[in-house]
Order: sequence, then C-alpha cells, then structure tokens
Amino acid sequence: GNSVTQMEGPVTLSEEAFLTINCTYTATGYPSLFWYVQYPGEGLQLLLKATKADDKGSNKGFEATYRKETTSFHLEKGSVQVSDSAVYFCALMGGGYQKVTFGIGTKLQVIP
Amino acid sequence: SAVISQKPSRDICQRGTSLTIQCQVDSQVTMMFWYRQQPGQSLTLIATANQGSEATYESGFVIDKFPISRPNLTFSTLTVSNMSPEDSSIYLCSVDFGRANMNTEAFFGQGTRLTVV
Repeated sequence: GNSVTQMEGPVTLSEEAFLTINCTYTATGYPSLFWYVQYPGEGLQLLLKATKADDKGSNKGFEATYRKETTSFHLEKGSVQVSDSAVYFCALMGGGYQKVTFGIGTKLQVIP
Repeated sequence: SAVISQKPSRDICQRGTSLTIQCQVDSQVTMMFWYRQQPGQSLTLIATANQGSEATYESGFVIDKFPISRPNLTFSTLTVSNMSPEDSSIYLCSVDFGRANMNTEAFFGQGTRLTVV
C-alpha cells in the first residue's frame, strides 16, 4: 500500500534560516503529492501540491519538487519567519477516488 | 475548490455519551472521508462514505463505534459512540473530486476538536 515517510521533529530554527523537511513516499502508479500545514489551534490547510514528476509546487515562499527517481517531495524555504511555526504534513493521493495517506507530521518552531 | 463546513467546531463531552459531527459541502461530491487526528499524531482515515451505500471502514474502526450517514451528495455525519477519553481527538471531514474532474486535491473541513472527560 501507499506510505509516506517524513522526518520527525521538532525542528527549531532561527528566523531567516533555511528550512528543509524531508519526505519520501511509496506508492503504485503516479500519485499526487501534497504538503499540508496545521497552525496551532487551527485546521488543516493545503500548502502546495504537485501532480506529476518534476512538477514544482510553491506557495508562501515554500517549494517542493516531485522527484519520481528518488520518490521524494522535500519541503524547502529559503528564509523562515516566526509565523511559519506550525506542523507540516507530507501526503499523497492516488489517482481517482482515493484516500490521502499522511506522514507523521513535522513540528517547526521558528524563534526570533 | 470546495468549501467544507463542519459542526460543531469543538465540544467537551461526558464519557459514555455520543456526539454526532456534521459535514456540509458546497458542491456535490461522490466520496467523503472521515479522519481522526489524535493529540500529537498524524491523521488516520476512519472511513470512506459513498452516497447510497454503506461506509467502508479502515482497519481498527468499526461501524458500531463510528456510525456514518451519507444521505445525499453534499452532506455526511460521523457519530462517535459511547465515548471514552481515548476518543479525544480532532475529527476531520474531507472530500476529493477524483479523476473525473482531473482535480487531485483533497479538501478538508476545519475539524471538530473533541474532548471527552
């Protein structure tokens, strides 16, 4: 079955530091890949997505590239802000009517 | 895109009671999904609800504990029955429009934060 492996946190960074959160996946076929973000006390929001190999999803300064050869979808941001403190979930969905498979989530804390 | 409304947004319940969570979508969808997020954990799929048929439950979840209704293409309910403190979680409703619309994004409600005391 499908699975997502995500680096465990928490990750603590200083403001303006570079962020990488690693994510690799196992899936049959050609899944769509996602990063979701959950801010403290809030629901789940889609941060970015990529639907095919070599696609780059980007939003709010975050980027992730769909790498089929390494089955990876690492999240990066060049300069994090305190407001980026949240839990980040890597996820995948197969084609058609499929459930979303989530990684364990990585808590990011950005300190001033 | 889709707008998904969940009610209630949060509740504190006594053990042994039941709570029904409602999920309303602003457009018709074939499949609706219910997830649970236990404190500090990732999201786990409880069941898939297809209109006009019984819900399909994932391993570890049973209909007696989490009965689901799906009366039409825009609405679903999840009931958490005979609650215990271990049921304290965030419960999320999700939809996806599937391959037919070439929209491969899952949309989530804001969640229902349940605390059982």
